[in-house]
Amino acid sequence: DGGITQSPKYLFRKEGQNVTLSCEQNLNHDAMYWYRQDPGQGLRLIYYSQIVNDFQKGDIAEGYSVSREKKESFPLTVTSAQKNPTAFYLCASTPVGGGGQGNQPQHFGDGTRLSIL
Amino acid sequence: AQTVTQSQPEMSVQEAETVTLSCTYDTSESDYYLFWYKQPPSRQMILVIRQEAYKQQNATENRFSVNFQKAAKSFSLKISDSQLGDAAMYFCAARVAGSQGNLIFGKGTKLSVKP
Repeated sequence: DGGITQSPKYLFRKEGQNVTLSCEQNLNHDAMYWYRQDPGQGLRLIYYSQIVNDFQKGDIAEGYSVSREKKESFPLTVTSAQKNPTAFYLCASTPVGGGGQGNQPQHFGDGTRLSIL
Repeated sequence: AQTVTQSQPEMSVQEAETVTLSCTYDTSESDYYLFWYKQPPSRQMILVIRQEAYKQQNATENRFSVNFQKAAKSFSLKISDSQLGDAAMYFCAARVAGSQGNLIFGKGTKLSVKP
């Protein structure tokens, strides 16, 4: 079955360390997204990509970086500049990029829980 | 900027009863789409129901239905015959057409179902 795979499920970061969260999809979707979820908050958009080799900042991009070298992969790096990285991170995708998505829902992975050691 | 507001941080319902979760949104656009997602303790985000703003008819999916009031910018979710498995966080989300597909989420409502 097609879907979105996020790994690892749990991740621990030391002070001053960069860590990378993996997101892979085999749905042949064009657009991919990264969200951060904190307790009592909704999902907040970190970065998104509508097409390979292109991505844009979301609402809370500071301290994060992404790449989109392949259609199926959209890894998120949490850099040492992100002073409060402890959160639940969700990756999502939609079939079509740009503004043509209409009522298509976003498909989500199972998430990665990131904590500071 | 678009915003989505869920005014009920927590709700509780008795098993087999009906509960309504509230959602209001703010947008100046006329063409947009609305969604309800469910997030059970497993943390997976599951689409519950969706509504196109241009459709007057309220969407329905089995025990789940919406009350879409476009003029009031209200999009409430009604769960009928509540089941224990309905216990979860519920998020309302909106997407403006042509906005690169970005969803704006509310902060969620935690629903508890009492046996």
